[in-house]
Amino acid sequence: EAEVAQSPRYKITEKSQAVAFWCDPISGHATLYWYRQILGQGPELLVQFQDESVVDDSQLPKDRFSAERLKGVDSTLKIQPAELGDSAMYLCASSLRARLDEQFFGPGTRLTVL
Amino acid sequence: QQPVQSPQAVILREGEDAVINCSSSKALYSVHWYRQKHGEAPVFLMILLKGGEQKGHEKISASFNEKKQQSSLYLTASQLSYSGTYFCGTGRSGGSYIPTFGRGTSLIVHP
Repeated sequence: EAEVAQSPRYKITEKSQAVAFWCDPISGHATLYWYRQILGQGPELLVQFQDESVVDDSQLPKDRFSAERLKGVDSTLKIQPAELGDSAMYLCASSLRARLDEQFFGPGTRLTVL
Repeated sequence: QQPVQSPQAVILREGEDAVINCSSSKALYSVHWYRQKHGEAPVFLMILLKGGEQKGHEKISASFNEKKQQSSLYLTASQLSYSGTYFCGTGRSGGSYIPTFGRGTSLIVHP
């Protein structure tokens, strides 16, 4: 069964360092989402791509976060510099069509900033 | 704007029923339901679309009241495997679909 791949699964870094997360969606899925999930809360959308275009990044802290999906397939989320408050689970998800279809979530990257 | 879920937590015995509610202050086009077990990623349960189309999963059902901007998830004869946190995700009517999830409802099913 096709799955969304993410790496790394765990990342520990010191504040002010740069970190990057990678996501490979299910083949053929045009829509890709990056979420941040803090313990005890629901996933918060950071950025949504349709193919290689950004549909929404209104919740992305653009002074330190960046995301790209250059060829409309895999995607990278970067944080530079990392802050203590960035510690969270970062989830990637993909779907065939944004509105009508289920999202398939990857296993996530657990980020700890010391 | 984030949908509001209620209750925040439910504790059941196996075989009991539960209802989880999701409401929005904005007009809805669709409602998605997901379940997340501790330490795992959310897993899709159901989509309800404006106009009544419904895609289901397992023995869990749901309703979608467009006028009231609400959805309810019904878990009948709960099994131990139903334990987890349930999230509803909503999308605004019209324009691009931008998903927003509620804070979740924690469901614990005891033997």
